[in-house]
Amino acid sequence: GENVEQHPSTLSVQEGDSAVIKCTYSDSASNYFPWYKQELGKRPQLIIDIRSNVGEKKDQRIAVTLNKTAKHFSLHITETQPEDSAVYFCAASINQFYFGTGTSLTVIP
Amino acid sequence: EADIYQTPRYLVIGTGKKITLECSQTMGHDKMYWYQQDPGMELHLIHYSYGVNSTEKGDLSSESTVSRIRTEHFPLTLESARPSHTSQYLCASSGSKRSNSPLHFGNGTRLTVT
Repeated sequence: GENVEQHPSTLSVQEGDSAVIKCTYSDSASNYFPWYKQELGKRPQLIIDIRSNVGEKKDQRIAVTLNKTAKHFSLHITETQPEDSAVYFCAASINQFYFGTGTSLTVIP
Repeated sequence: EADIYQTPRYLVIGTGKKITLECSQTMGHDKMYWYQQDPGMELHLIHYSYGVNSTEKGDLSSESTVSRIRTEHFPLTLESARPSHTSQYLCASSGSKRSNSPLHFGNGTRLTVT
């Protein structure tokens, strides 16, 4: 089955700096890669996703890149703000979803 | 508003009790999932379903069962609750028109087994 690895497990950045979270996957058949943000006590919320026929996608301060050859994808958050502090999960999907172990991001004001 | 609804939001129950966690969605999705998650930690797939009368086991399925009699309803039953079941249970659904559509999560049920 699919195996998704996510790094780092914790990340602290100064407000205004960029944050990068990286994930790798094992199954080359995976064709959909969503990213979820989970604030304390709340449900995971989709923040951005990318499909296997696209190499990069951007939505305001958030971007995701996908390298199918290397089987890795990354989340980039620019100009971080304190409200970006949360746990972020990557996932790879064919029919079901395989999640990474999460990254706890802290943005220091 | 289309959403996923889970009840109860919080549940405290004694060891050995049988419990059912309810999940309903009004999003018209065929695929539904149950995940177990300790706060801020990894999501573990318990069961999933591709449609009515379809159920599949995930990684943590051995102590629970699910049913899918109606498209919108996907309840999870723990036959005999144990303290190790103390966790948050998240229900999710995704659309079926295309294989690569996002998961939408419910607000979760926080279960405590004493």
